[in-house]
Amino acid sequence: GNSVTQMEGPVTLSEEAFLTINCTYTATGYPSLFWYVQYPGEGLQLLLKATKADDKGSNKGFEATYRKETTSFHLEKGSVQVSDSAVYFCALEPNNAGNMLTFGGGTRLMVKP
Amino acid sequence: GAVVSQHPSRVICKSGTSVKIECRSLDFQATTMFWYRQFPKQSLMLMATSNEGSKATYEQGVEKDKFLINHASLTLSTLTVTSAHPEDSSFYICSARTIQNTGELFFGEGSRLTVL
Repeated sequence: GNSVTQMEGPVTLSEEAFLTINCTYTATGYPSLFWYVQYPGEGLQLLLKATKADDKGSNKGFEATYRKETTSFHLEKGSVQVSDSAVYFCALEPNNAGNMLTFGGGTRLMVKP
Repeated sequence: GAVVSQHPSRVICKSGTSVKIECRSLDFQATTMFWYRQFPKQSLMLMATSNEGSKATYEQGVEKDKFLINHASLTLSTLTVTSAHPEDSSFYICSARTIQNTGELFFGEGSRLTVL
């Protein structure tokens, strides 16, 4: 079946540090891949997505590249801010699955000033 | 973006009672809503798909008589945990897809249920 594995947190960084949150997946075919972010007290929000191999999703300084050869979709940001502190979820949607998402366990990011 | 709101955000109840959680799309109509459950430090697990005006579709292993889902209008779906027990304590999250089916899901802020 489909599964998503992401690094356990919490990840604690100083402001302006480089961020990488690893995400690997198992799926048949060519799923779409997503990163969602959940700020304290709020619902999940779509951060970025990629729908085919080698696509790069980007938003708010975050990037992730769909790597089919390594079945990965790692999230990166060159310089984190305190306001980036949140829980980040990697997810996949199989082709034509109608928004049936499979989520990773979430990674909590804490950025200190 | 579109807003999905859940209520209550936190609820504590005694074992054996029933608890209703509401999921509302505030500024759009949603033909389909999804209910997830999240255990501490674990993934969101899809429980069921709720379609307006029809019965919900439950994922394997989810007791439909335990978790009653009603999607009576295009802006409201409810999840009722019947005869709750401590093992039902969890974080429940809903998401909604717009009637235009643009592809993006919008999530509620979640409801934390604690059963004593």
